[in-house]
Amino acid sequence: GAGVSQSPRYKVTKRGQDVALRCDPISGHVSLYWYRQALGQGPEFLTYFNYEAQQDKSGLPNDRFSAERPEGSISTLTIQRTEQRDSAMYRCASSLRDLKTEAFFGQGTRLTVV
Amino acid sequence: AQRVTQPEKLLSVFKGAPVELKCNYSYSGSPELFWYVQYSRQRLQLLLRHISRESIKGFTADLNKGETSFHLKKPFAQEEDSAMYYCALTSEYGNKLVFGAGTILRVKS
Repeated sequence: GAGVSQSPRYKVTKRGQDVALRCDPISGHVSLYWYRQALGQGPEFLTYFNYEAQQDKSGLPNDRFSAERPEGSISTLTIQRTEQRDSAMYRCASSLRDLKTEAFFGQGTRLTVV
Repeated sequence: AQRVTQPEKLLSVFKGAPVELKCNYSYSGSPELFWYVQYSRQRLQLLLRHISRESIKGFTADLNKGETSFHLKKPFAQEEDSAMYYCALTSEYGNKLVFGAGTILRVKS
């Protein structure tokens, strides 16, 4: 594909359910980032990968949130036991190598927890 | 702590008028500053970064370390500039972007 692909685009889930959000970065991009954006706010950093290694997960809000990138390409952000406050736009980005090179964003996944 | 402040939620100007989107930052070091833009129904994309010193789509931004500002300017606004604009920073060797809350620019005909 031409750009970063995220799926699903929209997800409605019931409180207490687990969700998995997928990010397919641009081929060959080493770095992958996850951000969360609440309504009326800018994107907020969650976690960052270099190849398959999770280099920084300081932005994950609590232990219900986890992310992986097992083969250094596709990444999954998992939220366990979802709560209403998890409702947000989840954005993924990738870059050739760190932020010295341009970060390209996906369309985002709109998560609604009811 | 790193912080980016965009004081205006909405900026509305007429076509052909000058535009200035304000951005102030807080960072104890040498940050890299960026402007990202999101047009309607499109993904967030990089507009410009201060180290490039480029003019993109007629927009420029100068880093003022004394005032800790990185305001985005364009001398003559066009209707197609209507979008959400985010100012962001990262540390010199960092790998996370810190975004402001964003400013909606509306260019009226």
